[in-house]
Amino acid sequence: AQKVTQAQTEISVVEKEDVTLDCVYETRDTTYYLFWYKQPPSGELVFLIRRNSFDEQNEISGRYSWNFQKSTSSFNFTITASQVVDSAVYFCALSGQDSGGGADGLTFGKGTHLIIQP
Amino acid sequence: EAQVTQNPRYLITVTGKKLTVTCSQNMNHEYMSWYRQDPGLGLRQIYYSMNVEVTDKGDVPEGYKVSRKEKRNFPLILESPSPNQTSLYFCASSFGLAGAEQFFGPGTRLTVL
Repeated sequence: AQKVTQAQTEISVVEKEDVTLDCVYETRDTTYYLFWYKQPPSGELVFLIRRNSFDEQNEISGRYSWNFQKSTSSFNFTITASQVVDSAVYFCALSGQDSGGGADGLTFGKGTHLIIQP
Repeated sequence: EAQVTQNPRYLITVTGKKLTVTCSQNMNHEYMSWYRQDPGLGLRQIYYSMNVEVTDKGDVPEGYKVSRKEKRNFPLILESPSPNQTSLYFCASSFGLAGAEQFFGPGTRLTVL
């Protein structure tokens, strides 16, 4: 069974601070995919990034960066110089590869509510 | 515009009154799924479909039915809704490849009284 743990239920920081959202996962699959989604107050789910289990390179996209470490089964997300518009619920998710190589459902963490105060 | 649509967006109903939430995608995706989101629980998969006429249970299928008669549509059916099915529901679709990005609909907020 797959599991995703986001231990931080809520984080509150002041604008311009850096903040890291933690994600720890469990899976028996050797091939799997990790995702981050953002859910702003308007409610929609916005895709941020996908990583496969064979690519441990960290990724940076503007103020966002992701640190994937298989050794600790973690896929952490850092926002540098946070802004009020970053306020949202962030979900980490995991998808394994089924025996036929097809898509598996996403297993979501419970989410981290990030509050950026002006 | 590539999108996943859900209807209705908001629904208040009473216990036991059958309802259907529709989901449609225009991206020719093979894979479609339904999730429910509850406070403190994140999103949990209800049912998914790998292609037309192929559906399977997710993590929380009790009380729900689905069908996939056409590739673009994947309705969620609550035959006899109960208050514990009050939730925010999301439909999603993707190409049927492992690791493909899932595109989510805007969500349907359901209240069962």
